[in-house]
Amino acid sequence: ETGVTQTPRHLVMGMTNKKSLKCEQHLGHNAMYWYKQSAKKPLELMFVYSLEERVENNSVPSRFSPECPNSSHLFLHLHTLQPEDSALYLCASSQDPGSGANVLTFGAGSRLTVL
Amino acid sequence: GQNIDQPTEMTATEGAIVQINCTYQTSGFNGLFWYQQHAGEAPTFLSYNVLDGLEEKGRFSSFLSRSKGYSYLLLKELQMKDSASYLCAVRDSNYQLIWGAGTKLIIKP
Repeated sequence: ETGVTQTPRHLVMGMTNKKSLKCEQHLGHNAMYWYKQSAKKPLELMFVYSLEERVENNSVPSRFSPECPNSSHLFLHLHTLQPEDSALYLCASSQDPGSGANVLTFGAGSRLTVL
Repeated sequence: GQNIDQPTEMTATEGAIVQINCTYQTSGFNGLFWYQQHAGEAPTFLSYNVLDGLEEKGRFSSFLSRSKGYSYLLLKELQMKDSASYLCAVRDSNYQLIWGAGTKLIIKP
């Protein structure tokens, strides 16, 4: 596969469940990102990993826990979520977050519904 | 605060031309991006402007005026497949990407 792959594409979970979202990039990029996309709202940056180190954590609630075991894989662990966490979660990668035209390559997203 | 404004929704006719505007107020400027996102799909990169002027790429062009905090995406010879959301994003002085809420473009036959 090429590009950025996210699984699962759809997830329904109760507020007491624990689940994980997975992202994999086959582009040789050095940085990976988690974004939250809610209807009619701007993309919200959640976490950034550069060379497997977390470089950004935008005041995200602790019920979201990222993990980056290597430069190709990124996880978002979910536990005790709230209904307002229902959204599309997008993973992205890029070559170098600190340089000029740092173009993001996105995955198709994981649509999360919290009941 | 930092802000990106773009229209929520626009409608245009197949074969016509449409211009999607984006205005921004950010702490510094290090480039402006346009992405296209079809429903249920990944956003994909369209264009990047860092200097004033027009960048043309086939049927799509992007314009930037830094002094006015303004950009537009121009789509010519519209096709039904151009129905999508178009996201404007600005990189600020800290190299953070500030995103607009996106413009949903509806193309009618």
